[in-house]
Amino acid sequence: GAGVSQTPSNKVTEKGKYVELRCDPISGHTALYWYRQSLGQGPEFLIYFQGTGAADDSGLPNDRFFAVRPEGSVSTLKIQRTERGDSAVYLCASSLSSDYEQYFGPGTRLTVT
Amino acid sequence: KQEVTQIPAALSVPEGENLVLNCSFTDSAIYNLQWFRQDPGKGLTSLLLIQSSQREQTSGRLNASLDKSSGRSTLYIAASQPGDSATYLCAYSGNTPLVFGKGTRLSVIA
Repeated sequence: GAGVSQTPSNKVTEKGKYVELRCDPISGHTALYWYRQSLGQGPEFLIYFQGTGAADDSGLPNDRFFAVRPEGSVSTLKIQRTERGDSAVYLCASSLSSDYEQYFGPGTRLTVT
Repeated sequence: KQEVTQIPAALSVPEGENLVLNCSFTDSAIYNLQWFRQDPGKGLTSLLLIQSSQREQTSGRLNASLDKSSGRSTLYIAASQPGDSATYLCAYSGNTPLVFGKGTRLSVIA
């Protein structure tokens, strides 16, 4: 079956611009997670949705980052006023529910110039 | 602070060797532990999930164990192959979704 998909696969933007990253979870998975991975590091948790609501957003670095999941399926991670330090691979994962096995998408590589 | 340490950071072995990757964590309130594989420029592929009530899981040539009392997990790879070359990440879930280590970069030489 279809796995987790993320678009775009690559995004290059200028400092100060706004970007949106999209995640399509596995059908039927109620939990959706966003992580960020910098070069040579493990992924770091950003935000987790259970259904439509953000169950835990403690990993969002600041108020420039925001994520939504309005219908409990597709999620969008939004970054305002991008900075060079935001450059990383943004990974999305989904699971049947919280505490179940997480399945990851291929990621979106964001480069802020 | 929740931390996951993976040792070694990098490992190079000849084809056919059995090998062990180590993962240690500081959080005593661990729930699940998951091992992943990541190929260069790619996402994460889940290899094994050990749930809180379990002590080990096996899949093919892979065996993972979990010892909560000592805060350790190991991933055992039997009869390694060049196709096993990748970065292996362990992660646990506790009070927050997955906390990851930095990974062990494995190279299996033919």
